[in-house]
Amino acid sequence: DQQVKQNSPSLSVQEGRISILNCDYTNSMFDYFLWYKKYPAEGPTFLISISSIKDKNEDGRFTVFLNKSAKHLSLHIVPSQPGDSAVYFCAASNYGQNFVFGPGTRLSVLP
Amino acid sequence: DTAVSQTPKYLVTQMGNDKSIKCEQNLGHDTMYWYKQDSKKFLKIMFSYNNKELIINETVPNRFSPKSPDKAHLNLHINSLELGDSAVYFCASSHGRGFSNQPQHFGDGTRLSIL
Repeated sequence: DQQVKQNSPSLSVQEGRISILNCDYTNSMFDYFLWYKKYPAEGPTFLISISSIKDKNEDGRFTVFLNKSAKHLSLHIVPSQPGDSAVYFCAASNYGQNFVFGPGTRLSVLP
Repeated sequence: DTAVSQTPKYLVTQMGNDKSIKCEQNLGHDTMYWYKQDSKKFLKIMFSYNNKELIINETVPNRFSPKSPDKAHLNLHINSLELGDSAVYFCASSHGRGFSNQPQHFGDGTRLSIL
């Protein structure tokens, strides 16, 4: 049973435009959500997170939105840059109990 | 300085052999993890140690045995390697005690290939 889903395996966006990566989860006990970015032959790198008590968290070009009723979160990157091309993993945590990664979405930012 | 380092980066070996992967973190974190990324690219938790104590042990064959000599090191030993063990194994560390809301810092992975 896949508790964290990223239904788009890949996404292509033009440089300067907005990238929107989506993530859905099934376990209503998850209370913390994170996005990681991964380049080839490297480990995932933490990008941004959000607690379930919030609906938005922003850090520079990166904003994460959480819709608890829909069990959906999204990562917005504005403006997208070629260096943002990577695989983005959504992850969900239930404090001390569970930590699950999604399958990832490969983002390609075209110059 | 590399924050989380794992060795070797690549490991090619034959079925039935025993091998170890080493991991060290210099971030002063209390908790370390091993993940397996399979052919479908899912990252799945295998083990977690907090201050040398095993706190998370997912359903993993007992051929896999983690060892933590101190809180900065978490090694993974695999006995009687099987074809299905081929994957990329990632070590990670974080503050707090296992699955706290603290970001995990990952090593660059060890690609294990079983012939």
